[in-house]
Amino acid sequence: DQQVKQNSPSLSVQEGRISILNCDYTNSMFDYFLWYKKYPAEGPTFLISISSIKDKNEDGRFTVFLNKSAKHLSLHIVPSQPGDSAVYFCAASQSNNAGNMLTFGGGTRLMVKP
Amino acid sequence: GAGVSQSPRYKVAKRGQDVALRCDPISGHVSLFWYQQALGQGPEFLTYFQNEAQLDKSGLPSDRFFAERPEGSVSTLKIQRTQQEDSAVYLCASSSTGVSGYTFGSGTRLTVV
Repeated sequence: DQQVKQNSPSLSVQEGRISILNCDYTNSMFDYFLWYKKYPAEGPTFLISISSIKDKNEDGRFTVFLNKSAKHLSLHIVPSQPGDSAVYFCAASQSNNAGNMLTFGGGTRLMVKP
Repeated sequence: GAGVSQSPRYKVAKRGQDVALRCDPISGHVSLFWYQQALGQGPEFLTYFQNEAQLDKSGLPSDRFFAERPEGSVSTLKIQRTQQEDSAVYLCASSSTGVSGYTFGSGTRLTVV
């Protein structure tokens, strides 16, 4: 049973519009959440994170929202750019402490059309 | 080096063959992780080292999988008697701080034929 789920395998968005990627989790012990971006033949690269004590974290064009009661988080990219086209993984951990493992969702492939 | 280096980038093994995958973490990073990513799925945790100590190997799928980090830097993931279901990308990550400080390597794509 998957503890972290990304129900949309793919998403297509026009350049300049908003991209919204969603993620659901089931484990109440998860306390820290991250989004990674992955290009083909490369490892995942860290994008943005959020602690469970917050409900929003913003970094430039990227904003992550956390709804703890719904066990749901989302990544908003505004405005979307063609270079944002990649696979996005949601990940969860029991804390931000060193040594904690990450549990990943299955990924969402984002395609931003020029 | 500046990043996490993994070798080889690609490995084709015949079923039953043993393979060894190498990870060179960022210098000074205490934590090192191995993940397995099957096609179309997210990475799944295999094992964790803190320096040379293997503190968690709960994700290793069978006793054919073995990992070591004898001097607390380079790590090797060994798979004995490879099976087709072992075909995946094997990712290594290192960190000196919390989980947000993970740096992943580009991975080794293993194909078992």
